[in-house]
Amino acid sequence: EVQVVESGGDLVQPGGSLKLSCAASGFNFSGFAMHWVRQAPGKGLEWVGHIRSKSNNYGTAYAASVKGRFIFSRDDSKNTAYLQMNSLKIEDTAVYYCTDGDYAYWGQGTLVTVSS
Amino acid sequence: DIVMTQSPDSLAVSLGERATINCKSSQSILYSSNNKNYLAWYQQRPGQPPQLLIYWASTRESGVPDRFSGSGSGTDFTLTISSLQAEDVAVYYCQQYYLTPYTFGQGTKLEIK
Repeated sequence: EVQVVESGGDLVQPGGSLKLSCAASGFNFSGFAMHWVRQAPGKGLEWVGHIRSKSNNYGTAYAASVKGRFIFSRDDSKNTAYLQMNSLKIEDTAVYYCTDGDYAYWGQGTLVTVSS
Repeated sequence: DIVMTQSPDSLAVSLGERATINCKSSQSILYSSNNKNYLAWYQQRPGQPPQLLIYWASTRESGVPDRFSGSGSGTDFTLTISSLQAEDVAVYYCQQYYLTPYTFGQGTKLEIK
């Protein structure tokens, strides 16, 4: 059975940092890109970016809204992807989802709230 | 960035009737070398993560009921639910994965009339 579980969401002050984790099982994690998608309360979906597989040199791409502040990484030995979020802004408040490269498997998301 | 625009923003359809949602991209998302449209459709029920319904504009994901179908090419796409069921109440999103950022449409809220 495929599972994707995000964790690490929390309440953080503007300007702060947070690191999210995405633990996957049941599929060939190392062979796939991993995407991050977020959803602000009551709003639509926003693609945050992705990290590709080792065979694609762990290439990354970021939405303009997070570029220079967010960093993707992954540990294929742990089947886990990470999202390091720095210089957080109020508008980063959202549920953060990770999903596999084909968007077939999604976690339940983890809530990040940026507020003073 | 490629802008994805869905219409309508909301839709109310009677049970058993057809529902149609449109999605337009600001540039073609048809890759000529493989003749594939880089367009996906998702369903998001309240309180749930999105679920992939359709990819390559018209290929149904495994396990998705055959009342869901996707069509279109280039810049204009359609998601059709042939006979609306109560469990289809949700928000539907299109997404292009032709060029990063892989942008989503704003969503279409589907309700029962």
